[in-house]
This record gives sequence, structure tokens and C-alpha cells, in this order.
Amino acid sequence: EVHLVESGGGLVQPGGSLRLSCAASGFTFSSSLVMSWVRQAPGKGLEWVSAVWGSGDSTHYADSVEGRFTISRDISKNTLFLQMNSLRAEDTALYYCAKAGASGSIYDSWGQGTLVTVSS
Amino acid sequence: EVVLTQSPATLSLSPGERATLSCRASQSVNSQLAWYQQKPGQAPRLVIYDASNRATGIPARFSGSGSGTDFTLTISSLEAEDIAVYYCQQRRSWPVTFGQGTRLEIK
Repeated sequence: EVHLVESGGGLVQPGGSLRLSCAASGFTFSSSLVMSWVRQAPGKGLEWVSAVWGSGDSTHYADSVEGRFTISRDISKNTLFLQMNSLRAEDTALYYCAKAGASGSIYDSWGQGTLVTVSS
Repeated sequence: EVVLTQSPATLSLSPGERATLSCRASQSVNSQLAWYQQKPGQAPRLVIYDASNRATGIPARFSGSGSGTDFTLTISSLEAEDIAVYYCQQRRSWPVTFGQGTRLEIK
């Protein structure tokens, strides 16, 4: 059974940094697999944030986080990361880790999320 | 960026009724569209992928159709457990985008 467990969220001041982690189990955490972060602001809809895949670690980012967030993974530890710098109030959200299926960027498994609150 | 517009924003139906949710894309996404169900306090759950394929464990009353720019999620006979917000999502081009959601309520 697939398990995705996020951690690292918390309260941070504007301009600060956080590093989110997603521990994966129950499947082969291979380089060919697309893994993503998706966020949801309180009471709002889903917003795709970033994705990583490929042996060279190809990445993509939403315009709203480009240049501030960095997605990465450690295949040996079955862990996905999201380094978030220069955080803004509008980054406040529940951050989900999501695993894509064979179709690529269609997310068949999700974690329960970790809450990031950016506030002074 | 592909903009996905869902309608209606809220749908209120009685148990046993047919629910029809729409998703329109600002440009063609071929059949590279998925539907997710999100119940209160829970993570999203994949319902339909590639426009018309039911995900594992999804009941047969759920079906998806469409291609290009117009897509539909149909629940043939609504059950109380289907109360949720439903999102469409495209993977045809980066960035991946989601629709704003349709809230399905039971009368």
C-alpha cells in the first residue's frame, strides 16, 4: 500500500524559509516517477506547485513559486523535498505530496498534507 | 497556461439523481484530463484519469467523457457518500492546472 507522509510545515515569518519533506513507501521511488507538490490555501481550491522526474531530475514550477521554491528528491531515502524561500503570506496553505501514476502527472496517491502558515 | 473552468460552482441534488459536472479547457488538452474527489478534511482522491478511465476502487456509477476542451463527470445515481468537492486537472501542458472545483451537495 502506498503511503506518503509530509512533514516540516509550521509557522514562519514573511521572508523566511521552510523545508518540507515527504516520506514515501509502498512503491518503487524510481527516477522515472513523477512526484509533485500541490497546495491548498484555507477554504480554497487545489494549486499545483511543482514536479520532479527523470534521471536528471527534470523539474517544473508554477509561476507563483518559480525562483523561490526548489523541489528535489533522495531516491535512496524514498523522500521528496520542497525548499521554500522568501515565503509570502499567500504561500499559506496545506501542502500535499502527490505521486503520479503511469499516465504521468495524474496523481493516484496523496499524503495528508502539512500546513505552512506565513505570518508575522 | 491552460485555464480550466468548472460548472456549476455548486450542485444540489437528491439521492438517486444523476449528477453532471462540467470542465472546460481554454485550449485543447486532448484526453489528458483527470477528476478528483475531495471530501471535507481529506486529501483529494483520483476518480477518473485520461478523461474516461475510472481509477482503482471507484464505483461504476462514476463515469467521465469528453476530449479536446469539453469534459463531463457523471454520477449516475447519487449517494450520500458522494458529497464532496470535485476538481478537474489537465496534464497536457506545463504548468499542470486544476479547475476551481464544483461542490456537490445532497438535498
